[in-house]
Amino acid sequence: GAVVSQHPSRVICKSGTSVKIECRSLDFQATTMFWYRQFPKKSLMLMATSNEGSKATYEQGVEKDKFLINHASLTLSTLTVTSAHPEDSSFYICSAKTLTTTSLWGEQFFGPGTRLTVL
Amino acid sequence: GNSVTQMEGPVTLSEEAFLTINCTYTATGYPSLFWYVQYPGEGLQLLLKATKADDKGSNKGFEATYRKETTSFHLEKGSVQVSDSAVYFCALSDMNRDDKIIFGKGTRLHILP
Repeated sequence: GAVVSQHPSRVICKSGTSVKIECRSLDFQATTMFWYRQFPKKSLMLMATSNEGSKATYEQGVEKDKFLINHASLTLSTLTVTSAHPEDSSFYICSAKTLTTTSLWGEQFFGPGTRLTVL
Repeated sequence: GNSVTQMEGPVTLSEEAFLTINCTYTATGYPSLFWYVQYPGEGLQLLLKATKADDKGSNKGFEATYRKETTSFHLEKGSVQVSDSAVYFCALSDMNRDDKIIFGKGTRLHILP
């Protein structure tokens, strides 16, 4: 299978600061990456979809100025939570999809997630 | 809109017991259906999938059949192991419309030795 990593796995920050989360595809080229948010005992909610080299497409209700997504290369996407507040505390998960590797085509591969706590 | 409903957890079973995790869906089109599993400390992994009505997905002893008449995709395993302890997510995606995956809330499974 294909491996997706996230860094950091856990982060604690003060209210008002910004936090950057990285998502990397380790052994394949990620033509599309997805960012999800998961609340306790809730399902994963898609926040945005990003294609390499273009602007992210945000789901309804997700503030694009709050959650900055950059998909700068075929192996890296970043999510920056700007001016974080306690209500942004959550579990953030990324996934990646490739169209360049036939055996992996169409499937989304998920990272292990990042636990963000804003004090 | 599309949605997925799965049984609330946690589900606790003894080793070698029979497992069923119920999942029903609502969709306007013809979605593909999935079960994902998340082991402790790891990312979600695709467990099995079915792309059309009456298809049966299977993997690692788990099975699920795409039932269009009952809009269901229940996960079953005949004899669970301690290593099956994880969180299981039912999900759907309408590949003809977009790549978005819609997940259920997840069901935590505990298997006791």
